[in-house]
Amino acid sequence: GAGVSQSPRYKVAKRGQDVALRCDPISGHVSLFWYQQALGQGPEFLTYFQNEAQLDKSGLPSDRFFAERPEGSVSTLKIQRTQQEDSAVYLCASSLGYGGDEQFFGPGTRLTVL
Amino acid sequence: GENVEQHPSTLSVQEGDSAVIKCTYSDSASNYFPWYKQELGKRPQLIIDIRSNVGEKKDQRIAVTLNKTAKHFSLHITETQPEDSAVYFCAASFFIGNQFYFGTGTSLTVIP
Repeated sequence: GAGVSQSPRYKVAKRGQDVALRCDPISGHVSLFWYQQALGQGPEFLTYFQNEAQLDKSGLPSDRFFAERPEGSVSTLKIQRTQQEDSAVYLCASSLGYGGDEQFFGPGTRLTVL
Repeated sequence: GENVEQHPSTLSVQEGDSAVIKCTYSDSASNYFPWYKQELGKRPQLIIDIRSNVGEKKDQRIAVTLNKTAKHFSLHITETQPEDSAVYFCAASFFIGNQFYFGTGTSLTVIP
């Protein structure tokens, strides 16, 4: 079946622009995660949804970052007034259950802020 | 929160040799430890995982060992092949909360 998909795969933004990154999780997966992966580093947690509820947003680096999952399926990560330090790969992952199981990753969105 | 350290950062082995990557974690409440393989420009993919009630798990050429007392776990790849070349990440997770805390990655190169 289809895995986790993300769009766009690549995004170039001018500093100060707003961007929206989309994640389509595996159908039926309860949990959805967003991670930020800087070049040469491991993914770092941003935020976590269980169905439509955002249960943890402690990893969001500033109030310019906002995520939603209004119907418990597709999720959008929005970054307002982008800055150069926002340049990274943004990974979305989903898992079937509520805790402690495999997370399936999407291919990521590579964001470059000029 | 949890802190995961991973060593070495780079590893080169000859084809057919074994490779070992080690990780330590700080929070004794962590109970799920996955290992992901990430090829250049691709998504991370799970290769093996272990839960805290098990000390060792093996899947063909890949094995993971866990020492809860010392809070460390290791990935072992035997009979390495060029297609094993990739970046490997360890991670730790609590059951509740469920986010993964990743190590900084090990770039493995298998030399034919």
